[in-house]
Order: sequence, then structure tokens, then C-alpha cells
Amino acid sequence: ELKVEQNPLFLSMQEGKNYTIYCNYSTTSDRLYWYRQDPGKSLESLFVLLSNGAVKQEGRLMASLDTKARLSTLHITAAVHDLSATYFCAVEILSGTYKYIFGTGTRLKVLA
Amino acid sequence: NAGVTQTPKFQVLKTGQSMTLQCAQDMNHNSMYWYRQDPGMGLRLIYYSASEGTTDKGEVPNGYNVSRLNKREFSLRLESAAPSQTSVYFCASIHPGQQEAFFGQGTRLTVV
Repeated sequence: ELKVEQNPLFLSMQEGKNYTIYCNYSTTSDRLYWYRQDPGKSLESLFVLLSNGAVKQEGRLMASLDTKARLSTLHITAAVHDLSATYFCAVEILSGTYKYIFGTGTRLKVLA
Repeated sequence: NAGVTQTPKFQVLKTGQSMTLQCAQDMNHNSMYWYRQDPGMGLRLIYYSASEGTTDKGEVPNGYNVSRLNKREFSLRLESAAPSQTSVYFCASIHPGQQEAFFGQGTRLTVV
């Protein structure tokens, strides 16, 4: 059974600091996705990682994928309050057809 | 361009009542998904449809049925609602190339 685990589950950090969120998954996959969810809202796509070694950056966020280690990281540089949200990783696996499984999410709070 | 539209946004049901959650997308995507989101548990896959006319069970299908009416629409039915089905439900459609997910705004369902 595929498991997608994120850590930490909760993260409170000061503005200006750096931190990394980790996403581990338990089966082979070359495709991993990161999403952001603001309170009471839907999910929006942040990054699409489609191969081993893929690295994507947008503003203060950078995501990477190591398919051999079954690990993706979301690195936050010099956090600002606007980054406060819940971040989800999702893994796509082939099980008959492609299936999209989400991690438990990391709730990030950036303190001014 | 509406993207993914879910109805209703909010619903309160009594135990044992039935209802159908509607989802429609206008992006010509083949794959559509239904998830439920509960605090601390991320998004769990209920059912998905890889293409018109096909549906498959996800992680938590019990108590639900789905219909892929056509390429645009994918509905989720609760035949006899239970309090354990109180949750926020999200519909998503998947871009066929990058496999990026686009989400509806969610349905907040309370079963009393």
C-alpha cells in the first residue's frame, strides 16, 4: 500500500528564516507534485516534478525530487507571512491506471 | 474559463439521507477524482475515473458511489449518509500531459 508521509506536520517559523519540508513515499514513482492550500480554500498547484533530479523554483520556494530515495523536499528561503498555508505533496503511481495520492500536509505558520 | 465547478458548496444532511455531489470541468481532461479532506489526514482518494465510462475505487470508497456521466461530469453519491462522512469533499481533474491536478472549490458536508 502506498504511503506518502510529510514532515513536519506543523511548522511555526519566524519571518526571514529558512526551512525544509520533507515528503517521503513508499513505492516507485517518477512524478511528484506540490500544492498549497489557504484556510477554507481549495488547493492550487505549486510545482510539477516529473523526473529524478528535477528542481523547480518559484520565488522563495524551491522543490526537488530524488526518486531513488523516494524523497521530495520543499525548501523555504527567507520566509514571509504570505507563505503561511498548508502544503501538500502528491505522488502519482501506476496501479492499473494512474492514481494520485496525497500526503497528510504540512501546516506552515510564519510569524512576523 | 470556469475550470472545475462543484455544487453545492455547503450541505447539511440527516443521518440516512442521500445526496449527490456534482462536479464538472471544462478543460477537456480525461481523468477526474473525488477526495475527502479531514483534519490531520490530508486528502484521501474516494474514487477516480481515468476516462469517460470507467471508474475505480480509491483509498476510502465505502459508503460512496460515483458516476462518470460524460467527459465533463463526475458525480459522487452518498446513498445513506453517516456522521463519519462529515468532511470537505474536493473534485479534481487531471491535465493529461503534466498530470497536474486542478481542484474545485470544495463541498463542506455535515451529517447530523
